Amino acid sequence: AQKITQTQPGMFVQEKEAVTLDCTYDTSDPSYGLFWYKQPSSGEMIFLIYQGSYDQQNATEGRYSLNFQKARKSANLVISASQLGDSAMYFCAMRATDSWGKLQFGAGTQVVVTP
Amino acid sequence: GAGVSQSPSNKVTEKGKDVELRCDPISGHTALYWYRQRLGQGLEFLIYFQGNSAPDKSGLPSDRFSAERTGESVSTLTIQRTQQEDSAVYLCASSPLGGYSSYEQYFGPGTRLTVT
Repeated sequence: AQKITQTQPGMFVQEKEAVTLDCTYDTSDPSYGLFWYKQPSSGEMIFLIYQGSYDQQNATEGRYSLNFQKARKSANLVISASQLGDSAMYFCAMRATDSWGKLQFGAGTQVVVTP
Repeated sequence: GAGVSQSPSNKVTEKGKDVELRCDPISGHTALYWYRQRLGQGLEFLIYFQGNSAPDKSGLPSDRFSAERTGESVSTLTIQRTQQEDSAVYLCASSPLGGYSSYEQYFGPGTRLTVT
């Protein structure tokens, strides 16, 4: 069975600082995909970044980067130069090849950016 | 362009009543997904439609839950004989392709269901 774990229920970060959100996963599939989504207080889910299990390089999208450590089964999200608008819930999710359409989500990490 | 839309945005119902939640995916998206998010929790997968293939219903929590999709358009999630534990936000998402792909799922704003 697959499992996604986010151990940080909440974090405070100062504006312009970087923050790392932890995500570990457990799967026996050799092929899988990892996603990060942001959910502001308004409730919508916003896609941030994707990492495939066979990708050689860590994914980056603007201020977001994914620190992918395959042997450790971790896929931490790094947000650089935090902004007040980054305050939101962040979810890590995994798709595996035996569950074609299913994303399994972690419990999320609440990030609050302070001035 | 238009995103995923869901209706109603809020639904309050009495325990034991049936409810229907509607999702309009992005035009051209072949895959459609339903998730449930209880207060303060992550998303739970419910069901997935991909083109004309049989839907993946493995996440439906009980036989009170069912969903249909008309071709590659609208989907309806039906909850029969609602219980208080069904109270949650129900999120619909769509993507250009299903299966193993890097395409992200585009989410709708959700329907907040409250069962009294």
